[in-house]
Amino acid sequence: NAGVTQTPKFQVLKTGQSMTLQCAQDMNHEYMSWYRQDPGMGLRLIHYSVGAGITDQGEVPNGYNVSRSTTEDFPLRLLSAAPSQTSVYFCASSYGGTGGRYEQYFGPGTRLTVT
Amino acid sequence: LAKTTQPISMDSYEGQEVNITCSHNNIATNDYITWYQQFPSQGPRFIIQGYKTKVTNEVASLFIPADRKSSTLSLPRVSLSDTAVYYCPLGAGNTGKLIFGQGTTLQVKP
Repeated sequence: NAGVTQTPKFQVLKTGQSMTLQCAQDMNHEYMSWYRQDPGMGLRLIHYSVGAGITDQGEVPNGYNVSRSTTEDFPLRLLSAAPSQTSVYFCASSYGGTGGRYEQYFGPGTRLTVT
Repeated sequence: LAKTTQPISMDSYEGQEVNITCSHNNIATNDYITWYQQFPSQGPRFIIQGYKTKVTNEVASLFIPADRKSSTLSLPRVSLSDTAVYYCPLGAGNTGKLIFGQGTTLQVKP
């Protein structure tokens, strides 16, 4: 299993540009989430999904859109990039609530710089 | 889900046992407690989870008192490779949401 994969690894955008961060998992996990991590800070939840076709907002959703058309993929779209969105973005997946296994598996991250 | 509070940093020496505490005064009945380890330029890695009492796995133990308002991660005999940031996010079992606090930077010295 590849686990959770994220592309690209690095990205530089100009203010106002849009882009999509890709996330895929091959573990058949029901739950997927996006987090951002600013330098020296903890992770903050952007959006999450409990299954295909179901998404919801996290702590810091403004400026980001998500959709989940398949179990495997959970792309994050930046609508109009701003310097405040410069951060490292992590995608994570986990099993559904049954069975008591709550551990999340994180991808390697995408480092985004907005100039 | 509430944010958790941890000491910002801790120092230890190789071979010692390290205990990192986490405060979660507003934990809800359905919340569970998890701990993650993060190395620079990597995503967090799951260490251990628990709901109440004590849980032990091959790398750590987790102690949770009856009121569940705090938890303690115990790392036996740390080595230099345990130098990392440790987080104790609360999680909601029916959504997979995790809410992270600041984390504790553990520095292990030789």
